[in-house]
Amino acid sequence: QVQLVQSGAEVRKPGASVKVSCTASGYSFTSYYMHWVRRAPGQGLEWMGIINPSTGTTTYREEIQGRVTMTRDTSTSTVYMELSSLRSEDTAVYYCARDHKIIMPDNSFDIWGQGTMVTVSS
Amino acid sequence: DIQMTQSPSSLSASVGDRVTITCRASRNIRSYLNWYQEKPGKAPKLLIYSASNLQSEVPSRFSASGSGTDFTLTIGSLEPEDFATYYCQQSYDTPITFGQGTRLEIK
Repeated sequence: QVQLVQSGAEVRKPGASVKVSCTASGYSFTSYYMHWVRRAPGQGLEWMGIINPSTGTTTYREEIQGRVTMTRDTSTSTVYMELSSLRSEDTAVYYCARDHKIIMPDNSFDIWGQGTMVTVSS
Repeated sequence: DIQMTQSPSSLSASVGDRVTITCRASRNIRSYLNWYQEKPGKAPKLLIYSASNLQSEVPSRFSASGSGTDFTLTIGSLEPEDFATYYCQQSYDTPITFGQGTRLEIK
């Protein structure tokens, strides 16, 4: 069964960092790019970036460039999304989502994690 | 960034109805358009990719069309499980962007 399982909810103070994990199973981890998408309360879906699990190459949304780092561990089939200098506006549900197409991404998302709530509050 | 605009933002319909949701891109995205269904507390589910291709295991009552800037998602005959929120998403360019959603409610 193909699935993505994310780490649990986090609460952080403004200025802190958070690292969310996403562990894949049921398919070849290095064959599909992984995206991160978030939704703030009452807001729409926002794409954050993409990582190639095979090479570790990343592309980030410009607005969060410098604060976001996506990494992977091929030994555990896990991708990570770390967001630093947290602000209240970063309060959101964070999703990892597998790219639909094998090897070369087409930027659609066919498998999603269950979501991780990150709350930034003093 | 490419802006995606859906209409209507909400829609009331009955089981058995045929419904259509539209999505407009702020510039030409060719056929790089995808549709998702989302239910409360669940992650979005891919329904349609590349404008008109039905994702595996998605019922055939779902169909979609369009290219360039104008796209439609049609549900041929609504089933109770179809009442949800639907999103379009462009995959033509980064940053990838989504429409604001269309909430489909039971009349």
